[in-house]
Amino acid sequence: NAGVTQTPKFRVLKTGQSMTLLCAQDMNHEYMYWYRQDPGMGLRLIHYSVGEGTTAKGEVPDGYNVSRLKKQNFLLGLESAAPSQTSVYFCARGIIGSSYYEQYFGPGTRLTVT
Amino acid sequence: SQQGEEDPQALSIQEGENATMNCSYKTSINNLQWYRQNSGRGLVHLILIRSNEREKHSGRLRVTLDTSKKSSSLLITASRAADTASYFCATDATGANSKLTFGKGITLSVRP
Repeated sequence: NAGVTQTPKFRVLKTGQSMTLLCAQDMNHEYMYWYRQDPGMGLRLIHYSVGEGTTAKGEVPDGYNVSRLKKQNFLLGLESAAPSQTSVYFCARGIIGSSYYEQYFGPGTRLTVT
Repeated sequence: SQQGEEDPQALSIQEGENATMNCSYKTSINNLQWYRQNSGRGLVHLILIRSNEREKHSGRLRVTLDTSKKSSSLLITASRAADTASYFCATDATGANSKLTFGKGITLSVRP
């Protein structure tokens, strides 16, 4: 799992419900990311973090919040789920150096909002 | 908006043949990366090529980068059925502040 675990693996929500997706890394990497993947759309960045206590918006942040209270964990919250948030969510940790840059992805969380 | 756009969207070849996939992007980049995704799994990093490099090899993978045309190609030689997956290019755009932008992906099917 590339040192990234995601909880839960599957979830079905009703419109208006809230939930939190948990991402945990077993390395000490500064960078963490949340993406969503939809058919024909590729991966789109929701929010990301460049270190403990920091978060920033990505390409599609509306309807989501994040927190990075501990370096190992990056939480993605859906405040009031909508059917448009039905997707597969991927978390990634990133390592960036002067001559390298890689992201390592978790196995994904499949979310359905009815 | 997507920075990288892959071409073709889908590719089907026979085992043993070579597979060539292309990626075009819009803005200046620090590096370009290729990832693979097997069905139902997360993405796996394959190879990175920096903006000052023109070609890079890793096993059966060969990546080229043409910054004047803002394009890259990924060649998989002697393909195997296990290469069946989706392939994504991702760009680290100049000034992107540690973010990658992924294309929509290419679905590669390798027939045994």
